[in-house]
Amino acid sequence: SAVISQKPSRDICQRGTSLTIQCQVDSQVTMMFWYRQQPGQSLTLIATANQGSEATYESGFVIDKFPISRPNLTFSTLTVSNMSPEDSSIYLCSVGRGAHTQYFGPGTRLTVL
Amino acid sequence: GQQLNQSPQSMFIQEGEDVSMNCTSSSIFNTWLWYKQDPGEGPVLLIALYKAGELTSNGRLTAQFGITRKDSFLNISASIPSDVGIYFCAGRDKKSSGDKLTFGTGTRLAVRP
Repeated sequence: SAVISQKPSRDICQRGTSLTIQCQVDSQVTMMFWYRQQPGQSLTLIATANQGSEATYESGFVIDKFPISRPNLTFSTLTVSNMSPEDSSIYLCSVGRGAHTQYFGPGTRLTVL
Repeated sequence: GQQLNQSPQSMFIQEGEDVSMNCTSSSIFNTWLWYKQDPGEGPVLLIALYKAGELTSNGRLTAQFGITRKDSFLNISASIPSDVGIYFCAGRDKKSSGDKLTFGTGTRLAVRP
């Protein structure tokens, strides 16, 4: 498995502002992913964070709204830009390990007022 | 996009009872994973399955990769209060690239002491 930490663990933000979420892994990993979990819902993949190149976004998610950085093999950030109340969710990072398994961080609980 | 249907949506059982839940897909999967999510936490990997027909146990938990490769089952024997949480199946579609996972809709489990 892997030890994954996220900062902040939770935040309350004002509409129109941006928040950057950090994800740190205790060892180098090739694959890192960002998910959104809206209240009472399942997990939806936002993007795959690629080291050394642009992130790969899923349908319905765009770089202008969710810019992602991946400067090295142990760290990634997700920014939620120009926030609205609809962005209130839990944001989770995960890392790929072994054969198609993923391990998750504790999540960042975001509330937008 | 692809979604996995889980059933039941929720269960409210007596401590000591056995629990069964399942997950179905409209397409063939080559990996099935089962996760548990406690309130305020990220999902934790319980069991990973890689071959049709595979039956794998983790303590009181047993999961099976369906023979058709379009479904998977999770059983919990002799439930205890700490089994409370949301259980998600996740899978890797045979046609998907990389290590992207699709998540199920979740089964919310409550246990009466």
